[in-house]
Amino acid sequence: DIQMTQSPSSLSASVGDRVTITCRPSQTISTYLNWYQQKPRQAPRLLVFSVSNLYSGVPSRFSGSESGTDFSLTISSLQPEDSATYYCQQTYSPPYTFGQGTKLEIK
Amino acid sequence: QVQLVESGGGVVQPGGSLRLSCAASGFAFNTYGMVWVRQAPGKGLDWVAFTRYDGSTRTYAASVKGRFTISRDNSKNTLSLQMNSLRTEDTAVYYCARWGGSPEFYLDYWGQGTLVTVSS
Repeated sequence: DIQMTQSPSSLSASVGDRVTITCRPSQTISTYLNWYQQKPRQAPRLLVFSVSNLYSGVPSRFSGSESGTDFSLTISSLQPEDSATYYCQQTYSPPYTFGQGTKLEIK
Repeated sequence: QVQLVESGGGVVQPGGSLRLSCAASGFAFNTYGMVWVRQAPGKGLDWVAFTRYDGSTRTYAASVKGRFTISRDNSKNTLSLQMNSLRTEDTAVYYCARWGGSPEFYLDYWGQGTLVTVSS
């Protein structure tokens, strides 16, 4: 199985900050990497698919990228409503594993 | 609009069985793969099972293989998850989600989830 390691597991940042969350797969996954946002008591929501494609309706302050073996989700200017847990997921091969999540708190 | 509504959750004893359903509407159900994802209380997302649009391919997480069966009825726009030999560690909110995109693959629509509690 492909393990997805996210870092950090939690972080706290202020409104307007630039925030980056990283995901490292245990083996190659090509560009089959997606990011989701989940707020308490809600279902997850797709943010970015195939590394860097912003899903419909997602604010442009969210972006995804790849550098070497790592994948990143960046929020360019943090907003209060971005307080949530973020998950990466690989859809390269089953089981289509998720990262363990990054809990983002707004200071 | 796309809607996914899960049902069938509840409390069951260890070793028992439960069948979850997911009613889909607002899209051509018979042209999309579907998945089940679960989330134990206070924990992260855990992929459970996948079925191809026509049910011809089904894949499972190792933790549920041989105990859970994913199926679909395209005539009724319904996805199901039959869960047998349930364990306390199966306690979770179970979400159904649409397997969107091609050739990219992602989960673009999710239901609100149904809670399964396995406890004596």
